[in-house]
Amino acid sequence: DAKTTQPTSMDCAEGRAANLPCNHSTISGNEYVYWYRQIHSQGPQYIIHGLKNNETNEMASLIITEDRKSSTLILPHATLRDTAVYYCIVTTSGTYKYIFGTGTRLKVLA
Amino acid sequence: DTAVSQTPKYLVTQMGNDKSIKCEQNLGHDTMYWYKQDSKKFLKIMFSYNNKELIINETVPNRFSPKSPDKAHLNLHINSLELGDSAVYFCASSQYDRSTDTQYFGPGTRLTVL
Repeated sequence: DAKTTQPTSMDCAEGRAANLPCNHSTISGNEYVYWYRQIHSQGPQYIIHGLKNNETNEMASLIITEDRKSSTLILPHATLRDTAVYYCIVTTSGTYKYIFGTGTRLKVLA
Repeated sequence: DTAVSQTPKYLVTQMGNDKSIKCEQNLGHDTMYWYKQDSKKFLKIMFSYNNKELIINETVPNRFSPKSPDKAHLNLHINSLELGDSAVYFCASSQYDRSTDTQYFGPGTRLTVL
């Protein structure tokens, strides 16, 4: 079973920030939080990952709460091309697998 | 250059046939994976290989036989195809690191069994 829970779906207006939450209350100390997205039926695309500090790259920002039990992926200026299913995954090195949940279906509206 | 590539992109075949899907990565990674995404869109790990050695086999029927001829390739052979094998199969790769585990996925192979 996935160690994360996410809302099933969300809408976001184009140009606005999309904030996607993820709960991972049973995360252990050496587990990272990863975010991927899947656009239509393409292969999952890596977005960002973090351990405990907030992270930012050219695609998104990742905010992890101090207790690490939840996180938020932020797409600062959502575009129509960001419409996808977003997966939050908790994993550690040496696991050799991802356990995917059902993800959040984000729809960016014009 | 495509980092993780799969062939074919689409595969339509009859029940009972044997088919193969090929995966290649040019990232220099030492670990490769096969995932299956069924009609309900659940993505599940099938196999993991590290340095050509099988690490994970997630209770996949033995009709599925992965083969890793070298670290850059992981092929999936399926015998006696069944209707339930219809799905999208994704290959992925990663480089073992003591801390992180970022996997990069291929574009998928849509298998339809008639």
